[in-house]
Amino acid sequence: GAGVSQTPSNKVTEKGKYVELRCDPISGHTALYWYRQSLGQGPEFLIYFQGTGAADDSGLPNDRFFAVRPEGSVSTLKIQRTERGDSAVYLCASSLEGTETDTQYFGPGTRLTVL
Amino acid sequence: GNSVTQMEGPVTLSEEAFLTINCTYTATGYPSLFWYVQYPGEGLQLLLKATKADDKGSNKGFEATYRKETTSFHLEKGSVQVSDSAVYFCAPTLSGGYNKLIFGAGTRLAVHP
Repeated sequence: GAGVSQTPSNKVTEKGKYVELRCDPISGHTALYWYRQSLGQGPEFLIYFQGTGAADDSGLPNDRFFAVRPEGSVSTLKIQRTERGDSAVYLCASSLEGTETDTQYFGPGTRLTVL
Repeated sequence: GNSVTQMEGPVTLSEEAFLTINCTYTATGYPSLFWYVQYPGEGLQLLLKATKADDKGSNKGFEATYRKETTSFHLEKGSVQVSDSAVYFCAPTLSGGYNKLIFGAGTRLAVHP
């Protein structure tokens, strides 16, 4: 079946602009996660959704970052007033129930470049 | 809080050599433990996992055993192939009833013929 998909695959924007990154999880997965991966580093947790609600947003770096999942499926990560330091690969993952033993399935990522 | 320390890379091996990539973690409670792999140009994919003490995860000839007493989850393979060249990430969950992964920095493996 279809895996996790993310769009766009690449996004180049200018400092100060607003961007939206989209994630389409595996059908039927209730848990959805966003991570950020900087060059040469492991992914860093941003936010976790269980259904429509953000159960843990402790990894969002500041209030310029916001994410939604209005119908419990597709999620959008929104970044306002982008800064050069926001440049990274943004990864989305989903899992069936979000329990501690669940496997997370990752999408291919969106590479964000802020000029 | 929870953290993970992974062997620094790059690790360079000849084909058919034995591989060990060390991973230790600190955690409250008993996390689940995962190894993910990122092949060149591809996304992260699960390699193996173990969800309780003394469990052994295995896949594609790789193995790792959940060692609670040493808080370790070292990755091993008896005979590596060129196609195993990738970046490997150790990732325990942050205990709390849900699956929040804490990733190590990754270990790059290069296998030469």
